[in-house]
Amino acid sequence: AQSVTQPDIHITVSEGASLELRCNYSYGATPYLFWYVQSPGQGLQLLLKYFSGDTLVQGIKGFEAEFKRSQSSFNLRKPSVHWSDAAEYFCAVGAKDGANNLFFGTGTRLTVIP
Amino acid sequence: DADVTQTPRNRITKTGKRIMLECSQTKGHDRMYWYRQDPGLGLRLIYYSFDVKDINKGEISDGYSVSRQAQAKFSLSLESAIPNQTALYFCATKRRAAGELFFGEGSRLTVL
Repeated sequence: AQSVTQPDIHITVSEGASLELRCNYSYGATPYLFWYVQSPGQGLQLLLKYFSGDTLVQGIKGFEAEFKRSQSSFNLRKPSVHWSDAAEYFCAVGAKDGANNLFFGTGTRLTVIP
Repeated sequence: DADVTQTPRNRITKTGKRIMLECSQTKGHDRMYWYRQDPGLGLRLIYYSFDVKDINKGEISDGYSVSRQAQAKFSLSLESAIPNQTALYFCATKRRAAGELFFGEGSRLTVL
């Protein structure tokens, strides 16, 4: 069965510090992987995606993520967090074939302190 | 204007009332989706549609129905709303061959 685990419900970091948000997935087929960000009162915006090729993908707003097949992980990173990064972050997995529906993790809420 | 537009953005209703949430898109995508977001549960798929004649249940379709009136319009109905349907509802679209979803800004529904 498909599943996405985001083990950290809430993370607090200082502005300027580095950030890593964890995502582990379970999926029978070759996965597509995504990170979305949701700012308060807003919809979800795509940060980055992995379909194939280079396992380190770059996204918007200075974010990157690394696909590690052996660990079934797709962790999101940013070297220096800005106050505007405070939001909720969702990892999602989908298939390259078939219905191609996306399955979402439960989210990680990021708080940034000055 | 937003590519994926949801109406209403906020709605408060009472138990037993019929509610319709509407979604329209200007992206020209074939696939449309309705998700529900609850705190601590992430997003869960209610219904999805690959085209006007192809509608499918998601993981939590009980208590909901949908209608794909046109390629650009996909509405979600609660025939008889109950309090545990209080949630934030998102419409999303996807191109046939691509994997990413494009989301509307959400419709917050409160059932008293």
